[in-house]
Amino acid sequence: ELKVEQNPLFLSMQEGKNYTIYCNYSTTSDRLYWYRQDPGKSLESLFVLLSNGAVKQEGRLMASLDTKARLSTLHITAAVHDLSATYFCAVSLTGNQFYFGTGTSLTVIP
Amino acid sequence: SAVISQKPSRDICQRGTSLTIQCQVDSQVTMMFWYRQQPGQSLTLIATANQGSEATYESGFVIDKFPISRPNLTFSTLTVSNMSPEDSSIYLCSVGLTGGSGYTFGSGTRLTVV
Repeated sequence: ELKVEQNPLFLSMQEGKNYTIYCNYSTTSDRLYWYRQDPGKSLESLFVLLSNGAVKQEGRLMASLDTKARLSTLHITAAVHDLSATYFCAVSLTGNQFYFGTGTSLTVIP
Repeated sequence: SAVISQKPSRDICQRGTSLTIQCQVDSQVTMMFWYRQQPGQSLTLIATANQGSEATYESGFVIDKFPISRPNLTFSTLTVSNMSPEDSSIYLCSVGLTGGSGYTFGSGTRLTVV
């Protein structure tokens, strides 16, 4: 069974600081997704990483994928309060099976 | 990308009753997925619903408890049967985006069983 682990589970960071969320998975996959979930809301797609070495950036968020290490990172640059949310990575083994990470609850404080 | 309308958005139900959740997609899709998100937890896939065939359930989920219908390529329902407080969760449906660019999710149904 594929296991997807994120760390940290909880992250409290000050505005303006940088930090990285890590996503490790246990089985070979070349398709990794990052999602954001605001409290009481559904999931919003952030990034899709489809190959080893893929890097994508949107605003203050940058995601990367190392398929050999089975590791993806979500880097936050100069955090702002609006980034407070829960972030999930998810790995797809086939087109159908989609496994979510444990989630990282991010709080950005002034 | 596909837009999913999911309802109800929330409900409070009595123990022992059933609730049917509906998802309507604005385009035809082959597969629809149903997830459960328990409070403070990640998402767990319940089943995959294909049009014209039985849904495929993940380990730990059974058809008697979570019957699914998929009458056409734009619609699916998930029923949570004989509910207990342990069924209190958010239930979400999802479809794949074209070109393998990810998945989109419905707005979720927040279920509380009392």
